[in-house]
Amino acid sequence: NAGVTQTPKFQVLKTGQSMTLQCAQDMNHEYMSWYRQDPGMGLRLIHYSVGAGITDQGEVPNGYNVSRSTTEDFPLRLLSAAPSQTSVYFCASSTTSGSSNFGPGTRLLVL
Amino acid sequence: DQQVKQNSPSLSVQEGRISILNCDYTNSMFDYFLWYKKYPAEGPTFLISISSIKDKNEDGRFTVFLNKSAKHLSLHIVPSQPGDSAVYFCAASDPWRNNNDMRFGAGTRLTVKP
Repeated sequence: NAGVTQTPKFQVLKTGQSMTLQCAQDMNHEYMSWYRQDPGMGLRLIHYSVGAGITDQGEVPNGYNVSRSTTEDFPLRLLSAAPSQTSVYFCASSTTSGSSNFGPGTRLLVL
Repeated sequence: DQQVKQNSPSLSVQEGRISILNCDYTNSMFDYFLWYKKYPAEGPTFLISISSIKDKNEDGRFTVFLNKSAKHLSLHIVPSQPGDSAVYFCAASDPWRNNNDMRFGAGTRLTVKP
């Protein structure tokens, strides 16, 4: 079991560029979510999905899009990167019990 | 607004002593609370949880206490070990609204000195 995997581990973008952060899990979890971690802010929920074909917004969704075409994959898209999106991004998956398995994170720097 | 607060950014304790990490929350609808541990360059890992029907949950060296009236929970680590040095995040969710929407505190960096 690989658990939750994320690619890339690190990315540098210029303002206005777009990119997709990849997330995959092999535990057959229904729930998947994306968080961002900023200094002094803890982790904040961006978007989440309760199953294939179903997504919803979290606490800080602006500037990000998601889709969930399969149970395993939950990519996060930045349409037009801004310096405010410099952060560490974590993908997570869980069952209905509540505790989440997190991926190793993607460190994103937007210049 | 930060609904989950960890007011101590850091804590340092001696190996073998007790570590007490505190967490306060403001949303009375939170019904399920979790602690995660995070090492540098890794994702958070689940440590222990407690639901609002309990006031204590224990797992080995880790115990979480919940005081619903005070909207306060704490994580006790006894005895503390150098390997416990990490950032600890408190999280809370409202299962009736969305079990997947966890609100996290800013974290407390624990350093256990040998």
